[in-house]
Amino acid sequence: GAVVSQHPSWVICKSGTSVKIECRSLDFQATTMFWYRQFPKQSLMLMATSNEGSKATYEQGVEKDKFLINHASLTLSTLTVTSAHPEDSSFYICSARRGAGSYNEQFFGPGTRLTVL
Amino acid sequence: KNEVEQSPQNLTAQEGEFITINCSYSVGISALHWLQQHPGGGIVSLFMLSSGKKKHGRLIATINIQEKHSSLHITASHPRDSAVYICAVHAGGTSYGKLTFGQGTILTVHP
Repeated sequence: GAVVSQHPSWVICKSGTSVKIECRSLDFQATTMFWYRQFPKQSLMLMATSNEGSKATYEQGVEKDKFLINHASLTLSTLTVTSAHPEDSSFYICSARRGAGSYNEQFFGPGTRLTVL
Repeated sequence: KNEVEQSPQNLTAQEGEFITINCSYSVGISALHWLQQHPGGGIVSLFMLSSGKKKHGRLIATINIQEKHSSLHITASHPRDSAVYICAVHAGGTSYGKLTFGQGTILTVHP
């Protein structure tokens, strides 16, 4: 089956520091990866779409300078939360789309829980 | 009104019961996902379907494109099925493959 990993699974940091979260597709190539954010008892909110070798496409209201996305290879996308603040504390989930078709199945990572003190 | 509506929002069942979770959507779609999220947070894709019916073990998913409705059924439910079940759709014409999510159904199965 298709496996997507995230690292770290949880992180606690001080306000003002930057945190990098990695999303890897372990057994398939993913030209497109998606980054989501989930608040407690709420559904997933798409933050950005990451395409290998090009700039990410951010959803309305998501600060691109705050949430830096890099998709340098077909198996790795990173999300960097810059100058994190307590309101950035959330559960971040990535998904990777196998294949190039827009409606190909997406596989989700296990998520990263970020706590900013 | 959300584009994707799930019902019920909360569901409690006894072990062994047959469970149905419904998903209705108001937009034209190309495909629909059923996802499972356990308390730890990780999400598992259960099904992706665009027509008809799919079955995997005790799980069955159906979709009726004309009625814009999908159901997820769990036969012989078990406490380990307790999780949040999320319906998500690929809206027609979307070039990125973005998903629109329902609010989720919290399922609790008691032994």
